[in-house]
Amino acid sequence: EPEVTQTPSHQVTQMGQEVILRCVPISNHLYFYWYRQILGQKVEFLVSFYNNEISEKSEIFDDQFSVERPDGSNFTLKIRSTKLEDSAMYFCASSGTSGASSYEQYFGPGTRLTVT
Amino acid sequence: AQSVAQPEDQVNVAEGNPLTVKCTYSVSGNPYLFWYVQYPNRGLQFLLKYITGDNLVKGSYGFEAEFNKSQTSFHLKKPSALVSDSALYFCAVRESLYSGGGADGLTFGKGTHLIIQP
Repeated sequence: EPEVTQTPSHQVTQMGQEVILRCVPISNHLYFYWYRQILGQKVEFLVSFYNNEISEKSEIFDDQFSVERPDGSNFTLKIRSTKLEDSAMYFCASSGTSGASSYEQYFGPGTRLTVT
Repeated sequence: AQSVAQPEDQVNVAEGNPLTVKCTYSVSGNPYLFWYVQYPNRGLQFLLKYITGDNLVKGSYGFEAEFNKSQTSFHLKKPSALVSDSALYFCAVRESLYSGGGADGLTFGKGTHLIIQP
């Protein structure tokens, strides 16, 4: 069964450093998302991406964040200058091609980002 | 703004008994509703969704959920709980758009720990 994959599983970085979190969505999906979950809190939407551009972003997704689909398979989240409060589990998700299946978002296992 | 409430941090059920995990939502338009399950050190797994049609929707692993528009609820249910159902369950909502499509992000509840006791 196809699944969303994410690398690395755990990333430790120092405050102020740039990090890139990587995701490989399900191959025939067209919609891509990033979410984060701060420890002990709810899952929060960051951004959605469709047709090579951002479709929607939350107020969390400020100028420090960017997303890119550099090739036909990867989807990345970049944080330019990490802050302590960026420490969280980051989930990538993707959803299908059209109709009702486009609403079913499939999540990867997450990347735990620790900013020290 | 849309929101989801899961009023119970934890639900304890004996194996073989029916289970219910509660969820209420708030959106300004029509809701699309979802349940996800998260096992330790794993991502969120899709269980079921309500988009339109029958108020009772069936999903994976024998779970079902009932959409109640008047009570703005979407409770998750299973007739007979298994120990392996023990996990963290999330309810999520997005508002339907006239234009349709899947690009909108989901708004999640805080999650409910379901513990099935042997």
